[in-house]
Amino acid sequence: EAGVTQFPSHSVIEKGQTVTLRCDPISGHDNLYWYRRVMGKEIKFLLHFVKESKQDESGMPNNRFLAERTGGTYSTLKVQPAELEDSGVYFCASSQDEFQTQYFGPGTRLLVL
Amino acid sequence: QKEVEQNSGPLSVPEGAIASLNCTYSDQGSQSFFWYRQYSGKSPELIMFIYSNGDKEDGRFTAQLNKASQYVSLLIRDSQPSDSATYLCAVNRGSGYSTLTFGKGTMLLVSP
Repeated sequence: EAGVTQFPSHSVIEKGQTVTLRCDPISGHDNLYWYRRVMGKEIKFLLHFVKESKQDESGMPNNRFLAERTGGTYSTLKVQPAELEDSGVYFCASSQDEFQTQYFGPGTRLLVL
Repeated sequence: QKEVEQNSGPLSVPEGAIASLNCTYSDQGSQSFFWYRQYSGKSPELIMFIYSNGDKEDGRFTAQLNKASQYVSLLIRDSQPSDSATYLCAVNRGSGYSTLTFGKGTMLLVSP
């Protein structure tokens, strides 16, 4: 069974540009989570989808971040316009239901110059 | 006060020794506790979870939970060089609150 996949693995962009990160959860997992780790800090929750609905987006830092999960399968996280402080590793995780183990993807390393 | 605190390490132990990793949390409503292992540049991988006070053993790993003290630990017996990684403690409030709150992690180095 394929694990959680994320694309791209790395992205280097300039301040003010737009970047879109993609996450494909494990097949059949209705719950999808986005987390972010900024250098030197802990992994922090961004938002949680149940199928295509946003269950909790309390961790989204500001309105420059937009997450979607059309059709309840893969999800995208768009940062527009990117700022220097957005640099970090963005992890996606999925679980079968909200009480189950969350399986993490390899992350997308974003560097904003 | 940070929500989940861990000593950043590194914690250095010789091969074959017991490694003890500790974590404290501030939210008394936390109900589920997780230990993830993360190798450099890789994704966090779940090692163990624990919900009830006491010990839970799985192979060389033992998780210990003390809700009164708001403390959770991970013991690794017979440590191997391949156990060298960063160990992340994570908690959630359960009861429908499924998002994880992570500590910064403790780096473990097991020397041959």
